[in-house]
Amino acid sequence: SYELTQPPSVSVSPGQTARITCSGDALPKQYAYWYQQKPGQAPVLVIYKDSERPSGIPERFSGSSSGTTVTLTISGVQAEDEADYYCQSADSSGTLWVFGGGTKLTVL
Amino acid sequence: EVQLVESGGGLVQPGGSLRLSCAASGFTVSSNYMSWVRQAPGKGLEWVSVIYSGGSTYYADSVKGRFTISRHNSKNTLYLQMNSLRAEDTAVYYCARSVGGNQPTSYYYGMDVWGQGTTVTVSS
Repeated sequence: SYELTQPPSVSVSPGQTARITCSGDALPKQYAYWYQQKPGQAPVLVIYKDSERPSGIPERFSGSSSGTTVTLTISGVQAEDEADYYCQSADSSGTLWVFGGGTKLTVL
Repeated sequence: EVQLVESGGGLVQPGGSLRLSCAASGFTVSSNYMSWVRQAPGKGLEWVSVIYSGGSTYYADSVKGRFTISRHNSKNTLYLQMNSLRAEDTAVYYCARSVGGNQPTSYYYGMDVWGQGTTVTVSS
């Protein structure tokens, strides 16, 4: 099996920067994707291929990668960013896709 | 507009079967990777299965041998046949248009468009 590890929760005040990490052994060779999910809603893609931002996603969302860890950064956090965030990638063979356990972002 | 609409969820007894459908519009299912993802009540997202544009299929260990992913090209629809259902299969099931491939130094596998989900409840 293959696992991606995220912190269960992150809390920040409005206007501050939130950083959510995701660790996995295959990440140096497999890109990561990030999804935002608000209560009762379907997930929404916010970052793809580690650091690319889809059209329509605010510029305050960014991603980076270093070794076995990828990071989702939300600069100037707003109340509307409060949500669960999930990283997703695949194992080294590409046949087992996996999500991290999710991180609940709380805007204080 | 790209859209995915799931259907087929409902209440089923343990050991029973159910077939989920995911009707796509705005793009061609057979030209894309397509995935199923589920979310048990109060839990995180769990990848279930993917079908590649070339037809290869892959499954999470938790559903292997019980679930089958397929597509109907002329109906532009994705399916998930679920057999031998268990209480732990209770979840909201999402279909998602997916992507996959490789670049010079890395591979990429992800989901860019999601449906709204359909609820499956396995209970007696």
